[in-house]
Amino acid sequence: EPEVTQTPSHQVTQMGQEVILRCVPISNHLYFYWYRQILGQKVEFLVSFYNNEISEKSEIFDDQFSVERPDGSNFTLKIRSTKLEDSAMYFCASSSRVAGGAKNIQYFGAGTRLSVL
Amino acid sequence: GQQLNQSPQSMFIQEGEDVSMNCTSSSIFNTWLWYKQDPGEGPVLLIALYKAGELTSNGRLTAQFGITRKDSFLNISASIPSDVGIYFCAGQANAGGTSYGKLTFGQGTILTVHP
Repeated sequence: EPEVTQTPSHQVTQMGQEVILRCVPISNHLYFYWYRQILGQKVEFLVSFYNNEISEKSEIFDDQFSVERPDGSNFTLKIRSTKLEDSAMYFCASSSRVAGGAKNIQYFGAGTRLSVL
Repeated sequence: GQQLNQSPQSMFIQEGEDVSMNCTSSSIFNTWLWYKQDPGEGPVLLIALYKAGELTSNGRLTAQFGITRKDSFLNISASIPSDVGIYFCAGQANAGGTSYGKLTFGQGTILTVHP
C-alpha cells in the first residue's frame, strides 16, 4: 500500500539553527500539507501546497517557515532559525484532491520529531 | 478560527465494552473524518463522512455526520486491546471558501482498554 514517508524520524538541533524536514508524498498525489503536534496537544495545520505554490497557511507558518517541492518526489519544510517552541512532531500529508464535492483523503506520514535545545 | 470540541478527553474501559466519542463545532464542515494515532505514529484514517446525516461503518467502528454539519460521533463496539490509542476527529471546510483542504483537528480522546 502506498504511503507517505518522512525523514528523519527524529531531528535534534540547537536553537537558532536551520532544519529541513523531508517528505516523500504518495506518488500520484497533487496536494501536500504540513501539520505539527506539540507533545500532548492536538494536530495543527501549518500549510497546504498545490501546483508549486502555497494554497493556504496558518498563523503559525510565519516567515521562519518555508516549503518547497525541489523535484518530482520530495516535499520539504524548512525552519530558518529554530526556537525552543518549535519542538514538536511534524507531519506531512498528501491527497489526490481537495474538498468541495470531491473526496479528499489526506494520508499522513509517521512524522519527524523535532527537538530544539 | 474554526474550533472542534472533542469529548471525552480520555476513557478507561474493559475489553468488550462499547465506546462512544463525539465532536462539536461552532461552524459548519463539509467533511468529517475520524483518525486514530498510535504512539510515535502519524494519524491513520478510520472513517470519512461526506454528507450530512450520513452513517458509515468500518468493521466495529460506526460514525455519523450530524444533520447540522456541526457535529459527529464515533462508536466502537466490543472493544479489544488493540483499540488503544488517541482518536481524533477532523473537519474539513469547502475548498471554495477560505479553506483549501486543510483539516481542523479536535483535541483527541485517549482510549485505554483493560484486558
